Amino acid sequence: DVKVTQSSRYLVKRTGEKVFLECVQDMDHENMFWYRQDPGLGLRLIYFSYDVKMKEKGDIPEGYSVSREKKERFSLILESASTNQTSMYLCASRDGTDYGYTFGSGTRLTVV
Amino acid sequence: SQKIEQNSEALNIQEGKTATLTCNYTNYSPAYLQWYRQDPGRGPVFLLLIRENEKEKRKERLKVTFDTTLKQSLFHITASQPADSATYLCALEYTSGTYKYIFGTGTRLKVLA
Repeated sequence: DVKVTQSSRYLVKRTGEKVFLECVQDMDHENMFWYRQDPGLGLRLIYFSYDVKMKEKGDIPEGYSVSREKKERFSLILESASTNQTSMYLCASRDGTDYGYTFGSGTRLTVV
Repeated sequence: SQKIEQNSEALNIQEGKTATLTCNYTNYSPAYLQWYRQDPGRGPVFLLLIRENEKEKRKERLKVTFDTTLKQSLFHITASQPADSATYLCALEYTSGTYKYIFGTGTRLKVLA
C-alpha cells in the first residue's frame, strides 16, 4: 500500500521557533505538495515541488520555506513560527496530472 | 478567480438510501474534477477522478457526474452505510496560465443507522 508519512501527528511550538515538518513518500512520485487546512477555508497550497531541488510557491507561501534534497522527502519549514500558523498541515504526492493526490495523515501544529 | 462551492451544511440520510453531494464551480472549465473523503483528524483520501470530456464515472457504490454546462459535479453514494459518514471534498484542476488545483471546503455526510 502506497504511503505518505508525516513525521509528527501533533506538535506544540512557541512563537518565534523554527519549525520543521517532514514528509516522506514511498511511491517514487515526482510531485509533492504542502497544504494547510483551516475550518471554513479548506485546503490551501503553500508550496509544491515537481522535482528534486525544485520548488514553486503556492497560494500562501509567506512565512514558509521548503526543501527537497531527495525525491522521496519534502520538508516544510516555518522560519519563525507565529500563532496564525496554528493549523493542520497536510503533505501530499501524486504521479502526474492524471491522478489524485495521496495525502499523509497530517500534522496538527499549535503555536503558543 | 476560480471558486468551488460545496454545501457547507451537513447532510443526514438514512442507511440504505442514496446520498448525493454537489460541487459547483465558477469561471474556468476544469481539466479534471476529483472527489476525496476525509475523516476527522486525518488526511483526505482520493476516491474518483473525472475528466472534462467524461459525463460519468463509477466505482463500486460511488458515482460521479460532470456537467460542464451547469458547471457542476454530483457525487452519489448508493446503498449508504454508517461507515460512509465523513466529509467529502471536491477538487478541481484547471489551467489559468499555469495549472491550478483548488479544493472545496467539503460537505459532511452522516448516515443514520
